[in-house]
Amino acid sequence: GAGVSQTPSNKVTEKGKYVELRCDPISGHTALYWYRQSLGQGPEFLIYFQGTGAADDSGLPNDRFFAVRPEGSVSTLKIQRTERGDSAVYLCASSLFTGLAGSTDTQYFGPGTRLTVL
Amino acid sequence: AQSVTQPDIHITVSEGASLELRCNYSYGATPYLFWYVQSPGQGLQLLLKYFSGDTLVQGIKGFEAEFKRSQSSFNLRKPSVHWSDAAEYFCAVGARPGTYKYIFGTGTRLKVLA
Repeated sequence: GAGVSQTPSNKVTEKGKYVELRCDPISGHTALYWYRQSLGQGPEFLIYFQGTGAADDSGLPNDRFFAVRPEGSVSTLKIQRTERGDSAVYLCASSLFTGLAGSTDTQYFGPGTRLTVL
Repeated sequence: AQSVTQPDIHITVSEGASLELRCNYSYGATPYLFWYVQSPGQGLQLLLKYFSGDTLVQGIKGFEAEFKRSQSSFNLRKPSVHWSDAAEYFCAVGARPGTYKYIFGTGTRLKVLA
């Protein structure tokens, strides 16, 4: 696609519910990232995929958070037993980063999903 | 550990005035540096980046930034601000090698007066 897309744009849920957030990266981008942006803060890294595998999930705050990318394209961020503190904008980004030592590439961000936990 | 500081939470300038947004980073080596802009309801858009070479980098929308190693800074500038530049600006740093985990500052919200 032309850019990174994320659905839904807004999600309101109740405390304790399960939610899924979807990210569709730029076609051909092998690297995919999830960030969380709380109110008044910059984005914070959650997880990085290279292809289908989660190469670095060190930013996931706890085991209620999980993400998958089964075919190396679309990714889903899953949050179980949501808490009010999970309310934030969840940003997805993709890039051509190969994962090889010394390589880097620009990350292109989607518009985000605003999650509100009541 | 890497960190990024954007000392100014809010900045207000008049349309046509010059702009400088400050960014200081903490990292043991030369990092990769980025400036992104975020308009309400929009994702982050890359303005410019510094990887190596010329320390003055040009970006989109008339923005430029200068990497100063001695000051650990990467300030964003624009000679004449337009009303459409009102947005939130984020500085980010990526560690070398194999950068993929960007560390973002807390952002500077720019207001432009007509």
